[in-house]
Amino acid sequence: ILNVEQSPQSLHVQEGDSTNFTCSFPSSNFYALHWYRWETAKSPEALFVMTLNGDEKKKGRISATLNTKEGYSYLYIKGSQPEDSATYLCACWVASGGSYIPTFGRGTSLIVHP
Amino acid sequence: GAVVSQHPSWVICKSGTSVKIECRSLDFQATTMFWYRQFPKQSLMLMATSNEGSKATYEQGVEKDKFLINHASLTLSTLTVTSAHPEDSSFYICSARIRTSGRYSYEQYFGPGTRLTVT
Repeated sequence: ILNVEQSPQSLHVQEGDSTNFTCSFPSSNFYALHWYRWETAKSPEALFVMTLNGDEKKKGRISATLNTKEGYSYLYIKGSQPEDSATYLCACWVASGGSYIPTFGRGTSLIVHP
Repeated sequence: GAVVSQHPSWVICKSGTSVKIECRSLDFQATTMFWYRQFPKQSLMLMATSNEGSKATYEQGVEKDKFLINHASLTLSTLTVTSAHPEDSSFYICSARIRTSGRYSYEQYFGPGTRLTVT
């Protein structure tokens, strides 16, 4: 079973603060890393799909980096807003027997206080 | 973007009964759908991979006779929890995978999930 770890488990920040959290994964058979944003009572929403070592993706105030050699990805949020409050999930896809299987981390729960 | 629906969103059933959960891709065809289960404060755990027109592939430790998966069309996969027990109470969520262009040729879209409570 692939071990995908996310840290911290939860995070409380003040509006305007910048923050970041980590997803770590085994680097062997790596295919892709997904970041999702999951608000309560909604479907997880895809943020980034990252495949290449050194990838950097950006979407508004949110950005992510990927290091496949050492097995980690960082998600950054600049100037956090209350609407950024959600659980942020990462999923590592690995090649397995001709198919690709995702394994999710437990998520980082972010709460942004106004 | 692609939309995946799940029905029902919440179900309460008595121990021993069976419950069917539907997962539909609304505006695209999905040859592959995934079923996940999430217990409180745990990660999404992949239960099975459902491929249209063929038998589902179950992850280790998931009983195929208890969690029946049917993917009869390109837009519908169903998960039936048979003879449900209180320990089956959980959050079940499906996702659909579609092919895109580029090196990484798959994207994944989630349904909103189904909360199952077995009394």
